[in-house]
Amino acid sequence: DSGVTQTPKHLITATGQRVTLRCSPRSGDLSVYWYQQSLDQGLQFLIQYYNGEERAKGNILERFSAQQFPDLHSELNLSSLELGDSALYFCASSPQGGLGTEAFFGQGTRLTVV
Amino acid sequence: ILNVEQSPQSLHVQEGDSTNFTCSFPSSNFYALHWYRWEAAKSPEALFVMTLNGDEKKKGRISATLNTKEGYSYLYIKGSQPEDSATYLCALWASGTYKYIFGTGTRLKVLA
Repeated sequence: DSGVTQTPKHLITATGQRVTLRCSPRSGDLSVYWYQQSLDQGLQFLIQYYNGEERAKGNILERFSAQQFPDLHSELNLSSLELGDSALYFCASSPQGGLGTEAFFGQGTRLTVV
Repeated sequence: ILNVEQSPQSLHVQEGDSTNFTCSFPSSNFYALHWYRWEAAKSPEALFVMTLNGDEKKKGRISATLNTKEGYSYLYIKGSQPEDSATYLCALWASGTYKYIFGTGTRLKVLA
């Protein structure tokens, strides 16, 4: 158990809908990252937060947004969902500033858009 | 766009064989490199943290080397066992940014 908790584990929703994925980092970790893994693809970096502020942005669609709250948990909001958004979404956390440190991953949320 | 490439994409070896994979990255963007092991139905777990050119790390039968000047890292597995079957990922911390970019992984299957 990495100490990173993601909810829900599975989510099935229809096209056009909006969902929120939640991540609780390891105790004491200030950095949170979100990754998307689509079928046969690697981990695509979406976004990173550090202590409540956005620190780096990857290939995140405009339909997607995220935030990190004062208690350090993070949420990834996916709206106007399309079939191609079906994927495994991972959250990871790392200590303090994060730069150069390894990440600890949650179990992922599997999103299926039908 | 930062590209972290891994080869081969997949690999089948016999139990007892030794094997190695490659992670390539733009040397100008290097800050740190990590190797992860990702077993099916689990989440990735870190194997090695590598920061200095020439670094060599070892954990049991698995070892890794780093060449930051030419932009590559090798992961070696000696005497592969079926329990080594997993996807092995490398991840680059890019200098000047806070982007943590993963390669697409090498999927290893060790046949008993």
